Amino acid sequence: QAGLTQPPSVSKGLRQTATLTCAGSSSNVGDQGAAWLQQHQGHPPKLLSYRNNGRPSGISERFSASRSGDTASLTITGLQPEDEGDYYCSAWDSSLSVWVFGGGTKLTVL
Amino acid sequence: QVQLVQSGAEVKKPGASVKVSCKASGYSFSSHFMHWVRQAPGQGLEWMGIINPSGGSPIYAQKFQGRVTMTSDKSTSTLYMEMSGLTSDDTAVFYCAREAGSFDSWGQGTLVTVSS
Repeated sequence: QAGLTQPPSVSKGLRQTATLTCAGSSSNVGDQGAAWLQQHQGHPPKLLSYRNNGRPSGISERFSASRSGDTASLTITGLQPEDEGDYYCSAWDSSLSVWVFGGGTKLTVL
Repeated sequence: QVQLVQSGAEVKKPGASVKVSCKASGYSFSSHFMHWVRQAPGQGLEWMGIINPSGGSPIYAQKFQGRVTMTSDKSTSTLYMEMSGLTSDDTAVFYCAREAGSFDSWGQGTLVTVSS
């Protein structure tokens, strides 16, 4: 089953802005958007953004999600050391009737 | 608050089966579907399937069809994921995650190690 495409790694400096991308298709990201999850080593993932780009309670305004066509993006402003980790996108694929994940992006804050 | 508490780590021999539990609390158990997600060591997240705790047939990822069974027990607000025919490639952390928009709450994970 086809997944979503994310760059394997992104590196940015402290207090800079990082934009992570997630490329899908018209049957998944393009249809109902993508959710974004953050995972730190040894911990379960944490939801950062719903598929409608809304933020769950308690998630910093520094995290904002958007979508253009079949590609979803997560922008993180004012990068902090604790933002380092793995970021995954996920979407419901309406033609396959399955959920799909991206391969994840490892964010390094320099 | 929402809590998903999973069963402890397991060590299994190749060919064996494993059953992982996920006990939910802090919300109406029947109101939200539940995902199961696998993560092999050093790898990404892999969606295994989704179950409606109220009943109905789970939806499984094609890769796990015929080898994974997801069930729920409303009396104890507990979900189960059983995988059979384990191989070393199944060594992974298994997570349950609530579907309330998108994977909004996660269990702590259960490490399953398959080794002879």
